[in-house]
Amino acid sequence: LAKTTQPISMDSYEGQEVNITCSHNNIATNDYITWYQQFPSQGPRFIIQGYKTKVTNEVASLFIPADRKSSTLSLPRVSLSDTAVYYCLVGLGVSGGYNKLIFGAGTRLAVHP
Amino acid sequence: EPEVTQTPSHQVTQMGQEVILRCVPISNHLYFYWYRQILGQKVEFLVSFYNNEISEKSEIFDDQFSVERPDGSNFTLKIRSTKLEDSAMYFCASLQGDGNQPQHFGDGTRLSIL
Repeated sequence: LAKTTQPISMDSYEGQEVNITCSHNNIATNDYITWYQQFPSQGPRFIIQGYKTKVTNEVASLFIPADRKSSTLSLPRVSLSDTAVYYCLVGLGVSGGYNKLIFGAGTRLAVHP
Repeated sequence: EPEVTQTPSHQVTQMGQEVILRCVPISNHLYFYWYRQILGQKVEFLVSFYNNEISEKSEIFDDQFSVERPDGSNFTLKIRSTKLEDSAMYFCASLQGDGNQPQHFGDGTRLSIL
């Protein structure tokens, strides 16, 4: 599975847009990019997944440039409840072809009033 | 929305005792997983399970660990003789296996070994 690099922490304020960038220089042709969110004392929660260009759902957008060596998770107008750890995972489909997910340290996002 | 449920939410056990963590995956899911997260550390893969057998296991998943799907709904993780270092959050996840669907996680069992 491709190694990912993302910032350890980020700070933002309520109402702002937050962009978290993940680098995955060794992404393979069949790899998808997946983001999970984790609140304290809860399990990781799937946010969004994409392969190329842009994907948008009710929670976030995912921007993937043509070379796919990085991706950016965009959270519009964050609120205090978006304070969490965000994980970028790269693998064969969202589940790595039904195999294990490998989590890095993630990005700890703190949203301030 | 269907959820993965885990019980108990918190388990306190004496070192050396056996513990069983229980999970009810989403009903039409076919692939099942256990992960753990030691306080302040990464989420780590333990084991995957499909078609009533282990698909893959990590180095953490030694002979003290076992998994079982005793009926059509429960998926359990047993630790035979707990150690202090087994203290962690244990997360169960399940995957439908039909198309490009994500793994869904439960909210975990906090295991505290005394």
